[in-house]
Amino acid sequence: GNSVTQMEGPVTLSEEAFLTINCTYTATGYPSLFWYVQYPGEGLQLLLKATKADDKGSNKGFEATYRKETTSFHLEKGSVQVSDSAVYFCALRALGKLVFGKGTKLTVNP
Amino acid sequence: DVKVTQSSRYLVKRTGEKVFLECVQDMDHENMFWYRQDPGLGLRLIYFSYDVKMKEKGDIPEGYSVSREKKERFSLILESASTNQTSMYLCASSLDAYKNQDEQFFGPGTRLTVL
Repeated sequence: GNSVTQMEGPVTLSEEAFLTINCTYTATGYPSLFWYVQYPGEGLQLLLKATKADDKGSNKGFEATYRKETTSFHLEKGSVQVSDSAVYFCALRALGKLVFGKGTKLTVNP
Repeated sequence: DVKVTQSSRYLVKRTGEKVFLECVQDMDHENMFWYRQDPGLGLRLIYFSYDVKMKEKGDIPEGYSVSREKKERFSLILESASTNQTSMYLCASSLDAYKNQDEQFFGPGTRLTVL
């Protein structure tokens, strides 16, 4: 079946550090890939998405590239801020159904 | 601005009570979803609906039911609440059930505690 595996947290970084959160997936067909972010006390919101191989999604300085050959969609940001502290979820959508990873909690210290 | 609202942010109920969680979306979306979120388990799909009066079981439907009488409203019902249903419940909606590229829009969540 379809599944998403993302790196376990928590991840703690200093402000302006480089961020990578790894995400790999298993899917049949041609899934779309998403990163959602959940700020403290809030629901999930879409951070970025990519709908086909080699697409790059980007938003708010975050980027992720849909790599079919390695079945990966790693999230990166060059310089994190305290306001980026949140839980990040990688997800895929195939045949209409959204499948989530377990989430990675990021804390950015000033 | 798209909006999914949930009736309560926090709810405390007793074991055996019947619990209703309400979700409303204002985007005229066809599809609505209920998830529960638990630490270390991520989000798991309970039920979804792709049209009024239609419903489909998700991955963990046991102990839950749903109702969709109007397009904009999707209710999750716990017929007899139990302590293992203490969780964060998230509602979501999307435009099309089967277009993989469509994102889901989430509500703020209801944190339910069953004593």
